[in-house]
Amino acid sequence: DTEVTQTPKHLVMGMTNKKSLKCEQHMGHRAMYWYKQKAKKPPELMFVYSYEKLSINESVPSRFSPECPNSSLLNLHLHALQPEDSALYLCASSQHGTGDEKLFFGSGTQLSVL
Amino acid sequence: GESVGLHLPTLSVQEGDNSIINCAYSNSASDYFIWYKQESGKGPQFIIDIRSNMDKRQGQRVTVLLNKTVKHLSLQIAATQPGDSAVYFCAETLDNYGQNFVFGPGTRLSVLP
Repeated sequence: DTEVTQTPKHLVMGMTNKKSLKCEQHMGHRAMYWYKQKAKKPPELMFVYSYEKLSINESVPSRFSPECPNSSLLNLHLHALQPEDSALYLCASSQHGTGDEKLFFGSGTQLSVL
Repeated sequence: GESVGLHLPTLSVQEGDNSIINCAYSNSASDYFIWYKQESGKGPQFIIDIRSNMDKRQGQRVTVLLNKTVKHLSLQIAATQPGDSAVYFCAETLDNYGQNFVFGPGTRLSVLP
């Protein structure tokens, strides 16, 4: 299994809603990532978890709250988002500590904030 | 030809021709580079990678060239096919753990029939 699975594929939410994005991988990878991608732009790193611990937080606003319940799952909790947060949210995973750092991406969640 | 402007840079090639996509990276200390392909509605897909101790690496129909002197990376696609139409991103790592990947601006490849 070489897949990273993200749910939901599409999400529309209001600025007062609370929602969560979910990501799952069964490749035994110990690093998991959240990226944000605006249209016609490259992915931008938000968070990195290594061995279920947050290792990188790229100064992301607190309305985005990541969680890594175990080595296979990664969540992104959303609260009080702004319309400018509308984007494609990509989850990725990689092996860690093996010298093979290539990222495997999911298909993303297309988020629209109204 | 290639066009750069307010929109995503676009490279248009005839089917069957070779494509060359270029990328200027930012950090001379970066030691690992990846090319990704992103099709509409999908996440980026790994194509090929290269470490800074190499200057060329070949895969199936693809070759990556690294010129550390001028901080330049290129992706060559041989015999370009319609299925190669996508946006291509280069990515570099900015830390020793290979986790802080930074992506280039991307190039849209359009394959003409």
